[in-house]
Amino acid sequence: NAGVMQNPRHLVRRRGQEARLRCSPMKGHSHVYWYRQLPEEGLKFMVYLQKENIIDESGMPKERFSAEFPKEGPSILRIQQVVRGDSAAYFCASSPSRGLYNEQFFGPGTRLTVL
Amino acid sequence: DAKTTQPNSMESNEEEPVHLPCNHSTISGTDYIHWYRQLPSQGPEYVIHGLTSNVNNRMASLAIAEDRKSSTLILHRATLRDAAVYYCILRDMGGSEKLVFGKGTKLTVNP
Repeated sequence: NAGVMQNPRHLVRRRGQEARLRCSPMKGHSHVYWYRQLPEEGLKFMVYLQKENIIDESGMPKERFSAEFPKEGPSILRIQQVVRGDSAAYFCASSPSRGLYNEQFFGPGTRLTVL
Repeated sequence: DAKTTQPNSMESNEEEPVHLPCNHSTISGTDYIHWYRQLPSQGPEYVIHGLTSNVNNRMASLAIAEDRKSSTLILHRATLRDAAVYYCILRDMGGSEKLVFGKGTKLTVNP
C-alpha cells in the first residue's frame, strides 16, 4: 500500500509565476490536509478537504492560494503570483475518515523555492 | 487550542532510554494527547496518542500524569534513526481535524 505521494518534490518558480502542488492520498483515504513549514518554523495548518469539498480553510492565506480535491485525481494546492515569502515546504496528509482516532499520514513534502 | 510546552532540545545516547516531556497545564477533559515526530527532510509521522491511561505501541510508550497536566513520551532504546523533532499535540474530541504543531523537541542521538 503506497503512502501519500506528493509531486513535484522540488519546485522552483520566479516571482509572479504560478505553483501547482499535487498530493495523492493513501488508497482508501478521502480526507486530505495541507500544511506549510516555513524555514526554521513549525508546521502550520492550511486547509482540510474531503472529496470535492473544502471543510476547513481557516489557515489559508486570503489571496493567491486555493485548494481542491476533485472526485477523480489528486488534491491540488495552487499558489498564484508567487512571492519570495511563499518559499517553504508544503506537506500533504491524508486519513481514512474524520476523528481523533485516525492518525494523519504525511507525504514527503514539496519544497518550493521562489527566486 | 490548548497549549503545550516542550524543551527545545534533548540529547541521548544510542540504545539508552529517552524520556521526552510535555507540559499541558490547560488541558481540558476532552483533549487527547498525540505525539508526532519529523525526521530530517521528511514529513511528520504519527507516534502514539492517549487520553488518561498509559499507552504502549511498537514505537514508544506514553505516560500520562494522573492530573493530565503533563505527559512523557518514552523511547525505550534510542537508535540513530530516532533523531527527529518530536511534537506533543492536544486534540479536542469535538474539535477541529487540524493538527496544531508547536516548536517541538529536537532529539539528538549520539552513537
